[in-house]
Amino acid sequence: DAGVTQSPTHLIKTRGQQVTLRCSPKSGHDTVSWYQQALGQGPQFIFQYYEEEERQRGNFPDRFSGHQFPNYSSELNVNALLLGDSALYLCASSHQAGPKEKLFFGSGTQLSVL
Amino acid sequence: SQQGEEDPQALSIQEGENATMNCSYKTSINNLQWYRQNSGRGLVHLILIRSNEREKHSGRLRVTLDTSKKSSSLLITASRAADTASYFCATDSAGNNRKLIWGLGTSLAVNP
Repeated sequence: DAGVTQSPTHLIKTRGQQVTLRCSPKSGHDTVSWYQQALGQGPQFIFQYYEEEERQRGNFPDRFSGHQFPNYSSELNVNALLLGDSALYLCASSHQAGPKEKLFFGSGTQLSVL
Repeated sequence: SQQGEEDPQALSIQEGENATMNCSYKTSINNLQWYRQNSGRGLVHLILIRSNEREKHSGRLRVTLDTSKKSSSLLITASRAADTASYFCATDSAGNNRKLIWGLGTSLAVNP
């Protein structure tokens, strides 16, 4: 039973560039949430996708956008990268009909913006 | 914004000792969860306690919840070196369980 997988594991970009991060949810899960975790901080909620729609959004600018595909996988896109976007980006999956409070996390993508 | 605040921020103990971490939060909640994170990678769910529960156990873990004080504690008994990690509390908010709000975490070091 595959857990949550994220790619790539590490990424280095320069200011102003665009980046796409990918996530495949745990088998049987239909809901994907994205979190940003800066060094020494707790995760910050970016947004959640269910049925290919953004259902909830945290306090992040429009430079952060996402997508969910029919197979429930998801992408996080960040445009016009800033130095402050350097962080660990975590994807979490759950099932709407199940105990959705409990999240299963991937290992994250470490993004460095230079 | 951070909802929870864990204390202490860092804790160092010897193997076999108990470790207690505390979490405070600001708004009404449906439930509170504790997660563990090794070396800045993915988080692993440890235990969930609902707002109508006061105490919950899972193996060597014991969680308490005091909704009147908006606080929770996580006790790890008979700690092991493998328990070395960061521990986070996360809360939903009553009426909105789609997102979790996280504290800053407690960094636990268990020395052999």
